[in-house]
Amino acid sequence: EVQLLESGGGLVQPGGSLRLSCAASGFTFSNYAMSWVRQAPGKGLEWVSTISVSGDDTYYADSVKGRFTISRDNSKNSLYLQMNSLRAEDTAVFYCAKGGGNYVLYSFDYWGQGTLLTVSS
Amino acid sequence: DIVMTQSPDSLAVSLGERATINCKSSQSVFFSTNNENYLAWYQQKPGQPPKLLIYWASIRESGVPDRFSGSGSGTDFTLTISSLQAADVAVYYCQQYYNTPLTFGGGTKVEIK
Repeated sequence: EVQLLESGGGLVQPGGSLRLSCAASGFTFSNYAMSWVRQAPGKGLEWVSTISVSGDDTYYADSVKGRFTISRDNSKNSLYLQMNSLRAEDTAVFYCAKGGGNYVLYSFDYWGQGTLLTVSS
Repeated sequence: DIVMTQSPDSLAVSLGERATINCKSSQSVFFSTNNENYLAWYQQKPGQPPKLLIYWASIRESGVPDRFSGSGSGTDFTLTISSLQAADVAVYYCQQYYNTPLTFGGGTKVEIK
């Protein structure tokens, strides 16, 4: 059974940093591109970032480019999102999502339960 | 960026009746090399993460009831629920994965009339 378990969310002051983690199990993690998608309270879904199977290629939404860094550790079956210079508008539930294939351009066939980031003073 | 526009924003349908949700992309998401439309549909129930329903515009994900179907090509797509059940009350999103930034539609809330 595929499982994605996010952790690391919490309350952070504007300008602060936080790192999210996603522990994956139930599939060969190193064979799939992985992504982060967020959802602000009461709003729709917003793609944040995607990383290739090797980790060599990364892609970001303009809204987070230069502030967020996606990474993965295939030996630990884990995905990460380092978030710096956080803003109030980053407040959202962050979902870890598994791509449907080994390339970045696939639908998301599994999602974690999400972790809530709140940016507020 | 490819803008995804869903309509309507919400709809109320009687149990057992058909529900139709439309999604339009600002440019084609059809890739001629593999003859695929890079379009997916997701269902999100309150307090839950999204769930993949349809990918490649018309392929039903494993375990998804056959009352859900996807159609369309190029820039115009439709998600149809042939006979609405109470369990289908949710928000539905379309998404293009033709290129980055990956983009979602604004969502369509489906309720029971």
